[in-house]
This record gives sequence, structure tokens and C-alpha cells, in this order.
Amino acid sequence: AQTVTQSQPEMSVQEAETVTLSCTYDTSENNYYLFWYKQPPSRQMILVIRQEAYKQQNATENRFSVNFQKAAKSFSLKISDSQLGDTAMYFCAFMKPLTGNQFYFGTGTSLTVIP
Amino acid sequence: DTAVSQTPKYLVTQMGNDKSIKCEQNLGHDTMYWYKQDSKKFLKIMFSYNNKELIINETVPNRFSPKSPDKAHLNLHINSLELGDSAVYFCASSQDRRSPLHFGNGTRLTVT
Repeated sequence: AQTVTQSQPEMSVQEAETVTLSCTYDTSENNYYLFWYKQPPSRQMILVIRQEAYKQQNATENRFSVNFQKAAKSFSLKISDSQLGDTAMYFCAFMKPLTGNQFYFGTGTSLTVIP
Repeated sequence: DTAVSQTPKYLVTQMGNDKSIKCEQNLGHDTMYWYKQDSKKFLKIMFSYNNKELIINETVPNRFSPKSPDKAHLNLHINSLELGDSAVYFCASSQDRRSPLHFGNGTRLTVT
């Protein structure tokens, strides 16, 4: 089974600063997808960014970018110019593409942006 | 134009009761899921349906029974509710082998 590890249960960052959330995973697969989801206090699960394992280039979505290190099985999320609305739980997820797609989630990192 | 909608949003009930949570998606996705998020925020898959066919059935008590009347709906029925069933239950869908999950807003189930 695949495992996804988020070693930082809680983090905080000053507004407008940059923060990096770490994620590592364990798999023997070569073809897979990685995602970061955000869960604000409203509990809605929102897709932040995704990365395809066969792409070398790191994904970027506005202030959010990833550092994907396939050999190290690492997939960290960098949030630049942190905003108060970034306060949320962040989940790293691994997806093995099969019929029915198996998603595996990390335990989450609670991020607080301090004004 | 809600993509994945689940009802109810909150459900409070007593031990031993039977309850259902409904889920519908209007995205035309082929695969639907039920996830359980416990009090520590851990998300665990319960079931996955692809075109009305059960694909994933993780180790959950058989008191939990999913029903998929068509590709757009996946309901969750729970019999003989227990205190430990208290959690947030998320419905989700995905289009294909490369697609992310689209989540509903969750149902907070409280069993007293």
C-alpha cells in the first residue's frame, strides 16, 4: 500500500511571508499523480495544485508552487505572499491511476497565517 | 451549479438508528467515492464506484452500505449507528485515471 507522510502537524507563517509544507510518499509505482488539497474551517476540500509524476517541471498555480523530487519521493508545497485566507488544513495526496483511482491522503498540516 | 452536492450537511442521531446520506454530482464523472474524516482530520476512503459498479470497498463495517442508482448518484446508508461513527463523511467524484477528486461539502454526523 502507498503511504503519504506529512511530518508537520502544525505550522504558522506571518502574513506576506513564504512557507513550505513538506510531504513524502512511498510507492513502487512509476506512473502516479500528486495533489495538495486545502481544507479551510468551512471544511470544504479544495484542490490547490497537482503534479504528474512523469513531468519534470514543478507545477505552479499563482502563489502556490511545488518542489517535486521524484527520486527522493518528496512533494513539498510552497505558499508565497501568505494571506489570511490561506489559513487551513493542507493535505498531500497520492493517486495511483487505476479503474476507480486509489487516492491516499497524508495526515494533514494545519497552517495558520498570522496577521 | 453545485458540482458535488451531499445532503444533509449536519446529521444528529441516536445510537441504534439507521440513517442515509445522499450524494449527487453533475460533472458527468465516472467514479464516485465516500471518504470518512475522523476527529483527527484523517481522511480514509470507504468506497469507490465506477459507473455504478463497486470498485473499492475498504475495511468498513457491513453496517455501511453504499447504493449507486446511476452514475450521478452514490448514497451511503448506515444501519445501527454507533458512537464511533461520528465523523465527517465526504462524497467525491473524479472523471478519469488522471483526474483529481472533486469533493462535496461533507456531512457532519454526530451519534449521541
